[in-house]
Formats: sequence, structure tokens, C-alpha cells
Amino acid sequence: NAGVMQNPRHLVRRRGQEARLRCSPMKGHSHVYWYRQLPEEGLKFMVYLQKENIIDESGMPKERFSAEFPKEGPSILRIQQVVRGDSAAYFCASSGGTPEAFFGQGTRLTVV
Amino acid sequence: GDSVTQMEGPVTLSEEAFLTINCTYTATGYPSLFWYVQYPGEGLQLLLKATKADDKGSNKGFEATYRKETTSFHLEKGSVQVSDSAVYFCALTPNAGGTSYGKLTFGQGTILTVHP
Repeated sequence: NAGVMQNPRHLVRRRGQEARLRCSPMKGHSHVYWYRQLPEEGLKFMVYLQKENIIDESGMPKERFSAEFPKEGPSILRIQQVVRGDSAAYFCASSGGTPEAFFGQGTRLTVV
Repeated sequence: GDSVTQMEGPVTLSEEAFLTINCTYTATGYPSLFWYVQYPGEGLQLLLKATKADDKGSNKGFEATYRKETTSFHLEKGSVQVSDSAVYFCALTPNAGGTSYGKLTFGQGTILTVHP
């Protein structure tokens, strides 16, 4: 049973480009969460999705960031017009309705 | 809102020493509590959990007890190994049903380094 799969593991983008981060939840899980970890900091909640629905986006920046979890395929976190401050590790987690979440290995985004 | 506070780090110990990492929380109701571990360059792995007061979570020699009276969930290990060197995160999720699970509030993390 594969765990939470994120790709790419490392992503380099120039300022102004778009970044797309993908997350496939564990088999049987329908809840997906995205977190951001800035250097030397803990993880901060960004958004919670179920299939085709955004349930809670209270942690998402108001501009340039969006997320989706389509009926088919992985969840996507999209960052438009990236800036240097977007450089961070982005983690996806999934759960199946029980009180624990399983994390992927993360995507480390570097904006140059 | 909910919050988690971990002891200031980093923590440096010799092998076989006793480990305590303090964690206190602020939350309404009865949250579930977790410890996650992150090895360099990796994602977070669930280390242990407790879902109600007085529960003790344990795994790989690590233990933590859910203390509602002191709103604490301190992590302990009797004898650390070099391989335990990692960053440890205390976290909580509200017990508001399935829709809230996975929405974690994390502490700032504690870096543990164990020397031979």
C-alpha cells in the first residue's frame, strides 16, 4: 500500500513563473491537506480538500495560490508568479476520517 | 484559536541519556494529540498519538501521556540513540469529527542531536 506520493521532490522556478505541486493520497483516503514549512519554522496549515471540494482554505494566501482535488487524479497546489518568499517545503497529508494524518515526503520549492 | 508550544531547542544529548521534550497546548474541547518526527530531508512520520485524556501513546521506546489538567503532552524516552537525531513536532487536531482530522496545528519543532 503506497503512502502519500508527492512530486516533484525538488522544484526550481524563476521569479514570475508558475509552480505546480502534485499529491496523490494514500489509497482509500479522501481527505487531503496541504502544509507549508518555511526555513527554521514549523508546518503551517494551508488548505483542506475533499474530492472536487475545498473544505477549508483559511491558511491559503489570498493571492497567487490555489488548490484543487479533482474527481480523477492527484491534488494540485498551484502557485502563480512565484516570488522568493514562496521558497519553502510544501507537504501534503491525507487521512481517511480517523484522527491521524499521513504525510508525503514533500516538495522543496526554490525560487531563484 | 488552537496553539501548541514546545520547549526551546535545540537539545543535545549523549547516547543512552534520558530525553524529555515539553509540549503544552491551548484548544477548546478535547483535541487529539500527536508527536511527529522529521529526519533530514524527509517528510513527517507519525511517532505516537493520544486521543483522549490520560491516554498514553508509545512507539519505539518513546512515550507521551495526554494530561488534560496541565494541557500537556510531553515526549519522553529512557535511553536515546544516535539514530533518534531528528526534529520532533508536537501537534493537535480538534476532535470535531472526520472533517477536522488532518488539520493539524503544530508546535515550532525541537531539534534533537544525539552524540555517541
